[in-house]
Amino acid sequence: DADVTQTPRNRITKTGKRIMLECSQTKGHDRMYWYRQDPGLGLQLIYYSFDVKDINKGEISDGYSVSRQAQAKFSLSLESAIPNQTALYFCATRSVWGEQFFGPGTRLTVL
Amino acid sequence: GEDVEQSLFLSVREGDSSVINCTYTDSSSTYLYWYKQEPGAGLQLLTYIFSNMDMKQDQRLTVLLNKKDKHLSLRIADTQTGDSAIYFCAERGNTDKLIFGTGTRLQVFP
Repeated sequence: DADVTQTPRNRITKTGKRIMLECSQTKGHDRMYWYRQDPGLGLQLIYYSFDVKDINKGEISDGYSVSRQAQAKFSLSLESAIPNQTALYFCATRSVWGEQFFGPGTRLTVL
Repeated sequence: GEDVEQSLFLSVREGDSSVINCTYTDSSSTYLYWYKQEPGAGLQLLTYIFSNMDMKQDQRLTVLLNKKDKHLSLRIADTQTGDSAIYFCAERGNTDKLIFGTGTRLQVFP
């Protein structure tokens, strides 16, 4: 079984809709991250969480919110989706040694 | 600010060596990473190097770090078609954030 899972894997939605992307991990890591990937831009950090009570904004947090429901769960919400949020979204965890482990990604299309 | 740069494309013949280069600006980088992304998949950690090292070898992979020039490279020996993917360089400084490069698309042809 995968250590970091994301649901859904693909989603098409309309402008203005609220969307939630979910991430679960079985690695037991405290630190979790949400990134978005756009072609030619690498990965940009949206939000990160050091533990359940510690959530921090990344480089591009505007238009997004997160919730750390438990050590194993970190969800990303788009309150009112817009087309330029069309991207590939990755969740990741980090070990105490600094290694990051990524989920398989969620491809989101906003029409 | 922190920046990580890579060339966008590299094309090599099967069996040859591939060298993917990366430059970064953060002089406080503590760890530098190489990730591989295959089509439709997430990022897979290939290897990483501590900033106090200048070389690390792991089977077909060799990482070279020139800290003075802030230059990192990944050499893949005996490149195979299964190595075709996008390779991301990333660095981590004193903050907890990873800064990623734009990725280098490696294409291996027969």
